[in-house]
Formats: sequence, structure tokens, C-alpha cells
Amino acid sequence: KQEVTQIPAALSVPEGENLVLNCSFTDSAIYNLQWFRQDPGKGLTSLLLIQSSQREQTSGRLNASLDKSSGRSTLYIAASQPGDSATYLCAVRPDQAGTALIFGKGTTLSVSS
Amino acid sequence: EPEVTQTPSHQVTQMGQEVILRCVPISNHLYFYWYRQILGQKVEFLVSFYNNEISEKSEIFDDQFSVERPDGSNFTLKIRSTKLEDSAMYFCASSEALSGYGYTFGSGTRLTVV
Repeated sequence: KQEVTQIPAALSVPEGENLVLNCSFTDSAIYNLQWFRQDPGKGLTSLLLIQSSQREQTSGRLNASLDKSSGRSTLYIAASQPGDSATYLCAVRPDQAGTALIFGKGTTLSVSS
Repeated sequence: EPEVTQTPSHQVTQMGQEVILRCVPISNHLYFYWYRQILGQKVEFLVSFYNNEISEKSEIFDDQFSVERPDGSNFTLKIRSTKLEDSAMYFCASSEALSGYGYTFGSGTRLTVV
């Protein structure tokens, strides 16, 4: 059964710092992986989606990498800002036929000014 | 930017009562989903819906749950006889393709069963 783990559970950094969030999954046979952002009391916003054949995706200050064989993904945030404060969730889709996303518990990021 | 709209934002119900959570997916999306998040826990998949039928469901989605697309715009989740453990945030989502691109979540309905 696929399990998704995110480390650390919480992270506090000063503004301007570059940071890395980690996601690991137990079964390397995935179809794709997504990173989401969740603000308190709000829904989830998709940040980046990486297909299993891809190594990384970039959007602005965000870069997500995928190492399927080792069951790991990282989300790199460059030059962090207070507005980046949120919970970041990693989710894997196990296979093409299935539609369910399996989520990690998330990393809660706090960026201080 | 197109949004997935969920109503109500918060619902309180008595144990044993039926509740219907409503969602309006993005108009050109074809796949619809319900997820839930119990406070402090992971977001969990409940069900996916495509072409007017359930395409996948989790173990959580037992006989007390049902989904329906009653018209061309709404997508509903019904919980027949609520239990205390059904208290959670319920998220509706939609995507334009099975690939997952354009996967958009609503802001959620917080269901409190008392």
C-alpha cells in the first residue's frame, strides 16, 4: 500500500532564505506526483505536477524534482517570502488507471519578515 | 480564474441526520472528486466520478455515502446517517483530464457532527 511521508512537519525560516521540502513514497511505481499549497481554512492549490517520466518542473521560484527509483521528491523554494507561509502537501497518483491521489501530511512553512 | 465552488462553507448536523454537500466544478472539467481531511490528519480520497458514474472509490466510501450529478453543473456528496467520526473538512475537486492537469480544489465544507 502506497504511503507518502513529508519531512519536516514544520519549518520556520527568515525571509530570503532558500529552502527544501521533502516528500518520500514507499512504492516507486507512480504515475505522477503533485505539490499543493494549503492556506488555513482554504482549499488546496496545485503548484507543480511531475509526470513519472520527468525529473523536474519549475514555476517561478518553485522547483520540484522527482527521483522515482528512490521514492523521493523535493520542492525547492528560492528567496522565500512571508507570503509563502502555508502548508505544502505532496500527493502521488499510483497509476494511470486509478484516479485517487494519496497525500502526505504536509510541511507547515512559516517565513518571518 | 475558474474556481470550484462549495456550499455551505460550514455545516453542523446532529448524529444520524442526512447531509448533502454541494459543489460546482469548473465547467469544462470532466472528472470530479471528493476528498476529506479530518482535523490534523492527511487529506484522504473518497471517490471519483466520470461520465455520470463512479470511476473509483476508497474503503472510506461505504454505503452511507453517495454522489450525484443532478444537473449539468452541480456535483453532490450525500452522507445518509452521519456519525461523529464523519466530522471533517470535505473538499470537492475537478480536473479536465485523467492526467491530473488542471486539478482544482474547492475551499471545502467543514462538517461538524454533534
